[in-house]
Amino acid sequence: DAGITQSPRHKVTETGTPVTLRCHQTENHRYMYWYRQDPGHGLRLIHYSYGVKDTDKGEVSDGYSVSRSKTEDFLLTLESATSSQTSVYFCAISEGRGLGKNEQFFGPGTRLTVL
Amino acid sequence: DQQVKQNSPSLSVQEGRISILNCDYTNSMFDYFLWYKKYPAEGPTFLISISSIKDKNEDGRFTVFLNKSAKHLSLHIVPSQPGDSAVYFCAASARSNTGKLIFGQGTTLQVKP
Repeated sequence: DAGITQSPRHKVTETGTPVTLRCHQTENHRYMYWYRQDPGHGLRLIHYSYGVKDTDKGEVSDGYSVSRSKTEDFLLTLESATSSQTSVYFCAISEGRGLGKNEQFFGPGTRLTVL
Repeated sequence: DQQVKQNSPSLSVQEGRISILNCDYTNSMFDYFLWYKKYPAEGPTFLISISSIKDKNEDGRFTVFLNKSAKHLSLHIVPSQPGDSAVYFCAASARSNTGKLIFGQGTTLQVKP
């Protein structure tokens, strides 16, 4: 298994509070991604990073920000959590573009509940 | 606008028979397709992929078929085993897209003993 960990694994928070989720990899992969999984929607990309300090938005980025100060860590922040952000969040990594490098490897997920 | 669609939310098959999971896409720029398998409370795991230059890729019991003219791909599992029971996601990417994957909604496969 690819070395990807996510913390915390479970979190319950209240509406309006800030929340930060952490993804840590030991594979030295260039690309890192944050997804959310919701019933009926599959996995939707929130933000991704293509290098240290290089990030871009995905399809559902509103209400989220990210930071990547080191190759191994990618942080997802909900500045002011809302109930619509209750979801399971997955981090993924990949080597990058090109045949054989597009495969993304996923972490175990973080279940976030916003009350 | 769902660019990758899995129109069957669920599928039930008997152990030993073939499972066929389907996926349709709309974006003609997609040139690489992947299937992932997900068990409850775990992250998705990569299963098999296919480039648009091929129409078939096989790995053990798993075969993916790509029909570019129909913008359709399918995953065949033969023979199906109870341990194959999981949610299966198809995903697509375009070479120009910094490796981003677009996922379908998923199909829950149940293999009955």
